[in-house]
Order: sequence, then structure tokens, then C-alpha cells
Amino acid sequence: DTAVSQTPKYLVTQMGNDKSIKCEQNLGHDTMYWYKQDSKKFLKIMFSYNNKELIINETVPNRFSPKSPDKAHLNLHINSLELGDSAVYFCASTVGTYGYTFGSGTRLTVV
Amino acid sequence: AQSVTQLGSHVSVSEGALVLLRCNYSSSVPPYLFWYVQYPNQGLQLLLKYTTGATLVKGINGFEAEFKKSETSFHLTKPSAHMSDAAEYFCAVSEGGSNYKLTFGKGTLLTVNP
Repeated sequence: DTAVSQTPKYLVTQMGNDKSIKCEQNLGHDTMYWYKQDSKKFLKIMFSYNNKELIINETVPNRFSPKSPDKAHLNLHINSLELGDSAVYFCASTVGTYGYTFGSGTRLTVV
Repeated sequence: AQSVTQLGSHVSVSEGALVLLRCNYSSSVPPYLFWYVQYPNQGLQLLLKYTTGATLVKGINGFEAEFKKSETSFHLTKPSAHMSDAAEYFCAVSEGGSNYKLTFGKGTLLTVNP
């Protein structure tokens, strides 16, 4: 009965590869997000979708492409992975400003 | 634009001592304010939030925070620290609107000494 679930939890891949991270929420929330947490633990928003519509795209390289097939899912596809993409990626969802619910994160390591 | 400053990247307390984690915010509109906790290798868990109304907000695990508009602060406190409170704590602000974007502070690592 996990509220926001992300897969995979760990992802190790080589530079130049393409990878995807999947996120699903069963809370009925309309808005979903991707956040990136860097090695210094700093959290920064990447994208936000409201009911399948992109509403926030924060200065993220074009190699990152979110896709929302329905309001319960928000996937993140990354092309041509670089060393600097290594981070923990968090999916989250919310309804209004009642506080986000975060997934447990996907630790991406690019070697 | 909204922003958050957490004073002190690392706070160390003894078990049973008062916990005080400082957060100051900047917002062009009345803010919504949040504290999240992150245990090692885990996601973020909401501790408490201020939206409107009472300025003293009580959260889970005995934590509370007070919204002080005049000081643009939202400090987190707990009267008596437990070993299990050791974690990273993040203050966050949202201006609401159509996207509810959260802007986080850089986090404060709390260590609790026996």
C-alpha cells in the first residue's frame, strides 16, 4: 500500500547510456514532481506535472524528459547520461499545499 | 522569489537536551512552510506544516515549530532529544498558486550524543 513508489531503488550505469525511472502514486493526487538531491543533500525541483500537463520545468538539460501517461504516473527518462547526473532522484505528489508525499528515492550512479 | 536559509548545517545535542533547528524564509506572498526529516538512505517524511491559522504548529515525534512573520522565521524545536531523532532536517517554503512548488533549505544534520 505504498503511497508513492519509485523503481528502481538503485541504478548503476555507464556514461552515455539512456535510463528511465518510474514513479506511481496511489493517493489520487493531481500534481506530481521530480526532485534531484545532489551529493551535498541539496534538493531542487526539476519538473512538475498537474493532471498530465507539464507546469514546471526548471532549467533542466534537454537530456531529461518527463512523461506522464496518466495522473498517477510520472516517469523520468534520461538520455546520454553524464557523471554529473549521479544523484538521488525523488518523485513526489501533492494535492494543494497540504504537504508533499515523497517516494523513497532512486540512487543513480553514473560510472 | 521564495527562498529558505537554514542556519547551521550541523547541530549536535545530547540525549535529553533541547533541539533547536533554525529556518528563515523569504517569500513575496504569505508562505506555506514545512519541515521534513530524512533518515539515512530514505525518502523525506513530513514532520509538520504551517498553512494558515495558529502560528504554533505541532508535528509528529514531539516536534513543533512557530511561524513568526515579523522575523520571517519557522524554527523547529523539540524539548528532549532522543537518539532516534538523528537525521537530516529540511525546511521548505511554498508560495502556493497553481504549482505548489517547494523550495528547500540546504538541510541541517542533527546528531544526538548519548
